[in-house]
Amino acid sequence: QVQLVESGGGVVQPGKSLRLSCAASGFPFSIYGMHWVRQTPGKGLEWVANIWSDGRNKYYADSVQGRFTVSRDNSDNTLYLQMTSLSADDTAVYYCARSQTPRGYGAFDIWGQGTLVIVSS
Amino acid sequence: QSVLIQPPSASGTPGQRVNISCSGGSSNIGSNSVSWYLQLPGTAPKVLIYSNNQRPSGVPDRFSGSKSGTSASLAISGLQSDDEGDYYCATWDDRMKAVFGGGTKLVVL
Repeated sequence: QVQLVESGGGVVQPGKSLRLSCAASGFPFSIYGMHWVRQTPGKGLEWVANIWSDGRNKYYADSVQGRFTVSRDNSDNTLYLQMTSLSADDTAVYYCARSQTPRGYGAFDIWGQGTLVIVSS
Repeated sequence: QSVLIQPPSASGTPGQRVNISCSGGSSNIGSNSVSWYLQLPGTAPKVLIYSNNQRPSGVPDRFSGSKSGTSASLAISGLQSDDEGDYYCATWDDRMKAVFGGGTKLVVL
């Protein structure tokens, strides 16, 4: 079935780096734009980043611009989020989500189960 | 403070109709389509409405969406206890970044 499975979350010290992965299955991954969305425990949703289906264009929230990098491997059906210079403000559940379109616009129609990132010393 | 403004809470009794509003501006809702999501406790969000008023297959027709100018609205008719959860609106801005509302917690009394 159509599925997104995130991994790579955990506890990391402030200032360190972490890479999240999102494995896609059940659909042609290479034709869909993909996103990362995060949710601070008990709070609302915050869009983090978007990557087009071909990986050529990427967009970031102001809060992570310059620190996070989104990438994808269409041969392996995997989405990534490289996070650097992490701070407590980055503590959240990180979801990968599929877009309805190749460029990422439209609704997020498939979501993963999320992976928790805790930034703490 | 979220870019899109939603009421923090809403409530209704079983069978009632509830409306949840989402207010934005000309650079986001005013020029892009709106989607709505339901997040049940401990689960990932699920899309309820896309392109302002379209329902994905499997979403009951009790859920409907509309948009006018810089505001959007989600209506839930025939309220059920299973409808309890957090509802979010979302759209895009003119810098090609997605924006979410702050979320509305729906309680079925």
